[in-house]
Amino acid sequence: DTAVSQTPKYLVTQMGNDKSIKCEQNLGHDTMYWYKQDSKKFLKIMFSYNNKELIINETVPNRFSPKSPDKAHLNLHINSLELGDSAVYFCASSRDYFYNEQFFGPGTRLTVL
Amino acid sequence: DQQVKQNSPSLSVQEGRISILNCDYTNSMFDYFLWYKKYPAEGPTFLISISSIKDKNEDGRFTVFLNKSAKHLSLHIVPSQPGDSAVYFCAATGTGANSKLTFGKGITLSVRP
Repeated sequence: DTAVSQTPKYLVTQMGNDKSIKCEQNLGHDTMYWYKQDSKKFLKIMFSYNNKELIINETVPNRFSPKSPDKAHLNLHINSLELGDSAVYFCASSRDYFYNEQFFGPGTRLTVL
Repeated sequence: DQQVKQNSPSLSVQEGRISILNCDYTNSMFDYFLWYKKYPAEGPTFLISISSIKDKNEDGRFTVFLNKSAKHLSLHIVPSQPGDSAVYFCAATGTGANSKLTFGKGITLSVRP
């Protein structure tokens, strides 16, 4: 009974392809996030949605487009994948955007060849 | 520009002894701090947090200490257990809506049986 789930867990693809990562939370939370953990191991926020509305958009290439069809789902679509996009992507959720404790999914390891 | 620094990449302690994990921050606007624990191939899980109005917060074997003047916090684990072996991330945030978590690089703790 996973609280925050992501699919797929692993993704290997060629440069130039377009791919999506899906995230779902069953905690009833209002706010969801996407983080990127790069090769230097830093976890950096990319986007945050509250009740399907974008509230945080860090300096991320516009090849990355998040989509929230409802407040339980936040998907990440990446166009024209580049080698530098290889990383682990984590989805997270929190009760609301004032609440600091975030619950993370298991991560999606993306490898771009 | 690392606003949250975990300068020691790893720590090894004997089972039963104390583990002390350190974290420094540079942004004076940070007023809430969290520790997350991460096992391989899993997402980070929330461990303990502390608000800047406190200097200590305790939860079972885990205690977090905050020294605001030094912009330093530490996580104490007593007694350490082999199951505590994981990567520990320090995170910080400011107050208010849309505040985002800024993570350190993480410390790998190994607890030897």
